[in-house]
Amino acid sequence: GDSVTQMEGPVTLSEEAFLTINCTYTATGYPSLFWYVQYPGEGLQLLLKATKADDKGSNKGFEATYRKETTSFHLEKGSVQVSDSAVYFCALSDPGYALNFGKGTSLLVTP
Amino acid sequence: EPEVTQTPSHQVTQMGQEVILRCVPISNHLYFYWYRQILGQKVEFLVSFYNNEISEKSEIFDDQFSVERPDGSNFTLKIRSTKLEDSAMYFCASSERGLWGTEAFFGQGTRLTVV
Repeated sequence: GDSVTQMEGPVTLSEEAFLTINCTYTATGYPSLFWYVQYPGEGLQLLLKATKADDKGSNKGFEATYRKETTSFHLEKGSVQVSDSAVYFCALSDPGYALNFGKGTSLLVTP
Repeated sequence: EPEVTQTPSHQVTQMGQEVILRCVPISNHLYFYWYRQILGQKVEFLVSFYNNEISEKSEIFDDQFSVERPDGSNFTLKIRSTKLEDSAMYFCASSERGLWGTEAFFGQGTRLTVV
């Protein structure tokens, strides 16, 4: 069945460092791909999405490109801030099916 | 900004007791979902609900679980006889359309602790 694998955390970075959180997927169809973020004490929020191969999703300085050839959707940001500290979830959705999440990667950004 | 609200934020219950977790989805949304996250594990799909009936459920969603939309605003998850392994964070979500390519809005979660 469909699944999502993302890198284990926690990830600790200094402010202004470059961030990459790896995400790979397996799917039988043509899924949409998502990154959700959970800030402390809050619910899951959609950060960005891509619905087809080679699409790039972007929001708040974060980017991820849907790579069908490598079945990946890695999250990147050029310069992280303390306020980016959160848990990041990669997810996929096949047409007609529910969101399938990865385990989440905790990010801590220190001043 | 519209949001999904869940109550309570934390519920402690004794094993074998029934619990009802409540959610108020965004008012113009038509699809509703429950997910759960056991501590340290991935967020798992439980059930989706559309047009007053279950549209999809996972193998986790067995006979001890049920969902209901008792009125025009609430969406509830009932666990009939709680077990220790039901301890988890439960998330409610809603979306305007089905999930493929569209955004699901999530609530803050209810942390259920079964003792």
